[in-house]
Amino acid sequence: GDSVTQMEGPVTLSEEAFLTINCTYTATGYPSLFWYVQYPGEGLQLLLKATKADDKGSNKGFEATYRKETTSFHLEKGSVQVSDSAVYFCALIPYYNTDKLIFGTGTRLQVFP
Amino acid sequence: DARVTQTPRHKVTEMGQEVTMRCQPILGHNTVFWYRQTMMQGLELLAYFRNRAPLDDSGMPKDRFSAEMPDATLATLKIQPSEPRDSAVYFCASGTTGTEAFFGQGTRLTVV
Repeated sequence: GDSVTQMEGPVTLSEEAFLTINCTYTATGYPSLFWYVQYPGEGLQLLLKATKADDKGSNKGFEATYRKETTSFHLEKGSVQVSDSAVYFCALIPYYNTDKLIFGTGTRLQVFP
Repeated sequence: DARVTQTPRHKVTEMGQEVTMRCQPILGHNTVFWYRQTMMQGLELLAYFRNRAPLDDSGMPKDRFSAEMPDATLATLKIQPSEPRDSAVYFCASGTTGTEAFFGQGTRLTVV
């Protein structure tokens, strides 16, 4: 079945460092792809999304590009802040079952001043 | 500002007791999801509904868990009897078919 694989965490960075969190997927056809963020003690919030190949989602300085050829949707940010410390989840909606939202295991990001 | 509302936010109960968690999805959303989050297992999909009909509850322990949508404004998740291994944060999320889901703040359940 369709699935999402994320890099193991935690990712530990200093403030203003460049961030990459890897996400690859296994899916039939063209799923929709998402990044969610979970701050401590809160629910998941949608960060960005892309619904077709080569689309770039962006929000709050974060970006991710839907790469069909490498089945990837890596999350990037040019300069992280302490306030970006959170858990980041990659997710997909399969094209054949648009009611189902499938999540990766999450990657914890810790940013230090 | 539309949001998914979950109650209670925190629940501590004794083993063997019934627990009911409630969720008010965003008005107009036709899909509702229940997830469980633990440190060991991460985020697990328990069940989901479309237009109030259960589509998949294969992630739930059938003998003790049940999920229902008595109407379009209320989804419930019940555990009877509860066990310590059920301790987790339970999230409800709602959305429309094919688009992202919006999550509630979660119910933190502790079974002692």
